[in-house]
Amino acid sequence: AQSVTQLDSQVPVFEEAPVELRCNYSSSVSVYLFWYVQYPNQGLQLLLKYLSGSTLVESINGFEAEFNKSQTSFHLRKPSVHISDTAEYFCAAGRGSQGNLIFGKGTKLSVKP
Amino acid sequence: KAGVTQTPRYLIKTRGQQVTLSCSPISGHRSVSWYQQTPGQGLQFLFEYFSETQRNKGNFPGRFSGRQFSNSRSEMNVSTLELGDSALYLCASSLGAGTNTGELFFGEGSRLTVL
Repeated sequence: AQSVTQLDSQVPVFEEAPVELRCNYSSSVSVYLFWYVQYPNQGLQLLLKYLSGSTLVESINGFEAEFNKSQTSFHLRKPSVHISDTAEYFCAAGRGSQGNLIFGKGTKLSVKP
Repeated sequence: KAGVTQTPRYLIKTRGQQVTLSCSPISGHRSVSWYQQTPGQGLQFLFEYFSETQRNKGNFPGRFSGRQFSNSRSEMNVSTLELGDSALYLCASSLGAGTNTGELFFGEGSRLTVL
């Protein structure tokens, strides 16, 4: 069965510091990977996605993630975080038209001044 | 373009009652998925509808059901509510079925509290 593991439930970091949120997936077939962000009392918003092609994907607000097939990972990184990045981040995997998204348990990023 | 709209946003029910939640997808989107979000279990897939047909179903008891109408609006129903059904229920819409279109658009959720 496909699963997604987010290794850290909470990540505290100071403003302007770099951050990495880790995500590993298990799958024996081709997989699509996503990062979603959830701000308090809101739904989930897509941050970035990997469907095919370049293994490094970027979002418009400075986050990036790299698909690593050999390590079955899709870690999210940002070189310098802002207070406004405080939110919960979810990694998810899908198998295209044959299935739904499977989410990790989430990582709460807390950016301190 | 209006986003995904879920109603009601908050509701309180007692054990044994039933509840119906509504979701209006983004105009033109034909797929609607439902997820349950709880602090302990995270986000768990309930079911997906595409063109009024249930395409996928998660591992939930039969008390959880759903449907989709011809205008793509969807409802989910939970009967004989239990305390453990307290959760945020999220609806998401997408253009096509499954995840190969790359993005699910989520509503803000319906927060159900069962007393």
